[in-house]
Amino acid sequence: QKEVEQDPGPLSVPEGAIVSLNCTYSNSAFQYFMWYRQYSRKGPELLMYTYSSGNKEDGRFTAQVDKSSKYISLFIRDSQPSDSATYLCARAGTYKYIFGTGTRLKVLA
Amino acid sequence: DVKVTQSSRYLVKRTGEKVFLECVQDMDHENMFWYRQDPGLGLRLIYFSYDVKMKEKGDIPEGYSVSREKKERFSLILESASTNQTSMYLCASSSSDRTLTDTQYFGPGTRLTVL
Repeated sequence: QKEVEQDPGPLSVPEGAIVSLNCTYSNSAFQYFMWYRQYSRKGPELLMYTYSSGNKEDGRFTAQVDKSSKYISLFIRDSQPSDSATYLCARAGTYKYIFGTGTRLKVLA
Repeated sequence: DVKVTQSSRYLVKRTGEKVFLECVQDMDHENMFWYRQDPGLGLRLIYFSYDVKMKEKGDIPEGYSVSREKKERFSLILESASTNQTSMYLCASSSSDRTLTDTQYFGPGTRLTVL
């Protein structure tokens, strides 16, 4: 079992939809989780990070960690075509991150 | 803003060539990383460095070496390139503020093709 698992998609949604992106993780010793967004042929850029459990909101984006089910989620409200990208979740540790494989999202105008 | 730059966006090399990929960061970060990214496999750590002249193997170091002679620069070396090293190579850097997450900032990537 991979330490961080993520459905690769692709996920296609109409503009304005609420998007839910999910990851599962296996090692509950780590408590920091990150979401990166990667546009085609570009490097990943940090979107949000969360600590332990609960929600964190930033504009249209909400990150959620459910420790009991070992689930990490990213919600995008009012999705826009400019949100079309690959979204990577990662669990952070000292020096090393473990990344999911990424979910490709396409928001249709 | 943190800036991580990589020497080339696209590179085409022949099997057996020695390849150098350069990465420079301008935020005085202690830690630097080299990943490769392949479809279906995600980001895999090749090597990282937490100080000048220090290096640690990541998950897939075979066929690669690194050099860190200056704090801002981290080089990835393919001693003898092979076709299975065709990939997207990403450099990242982070500070060593262990009260937070040592957030990693990525460069734009180098797409390497080995023929």
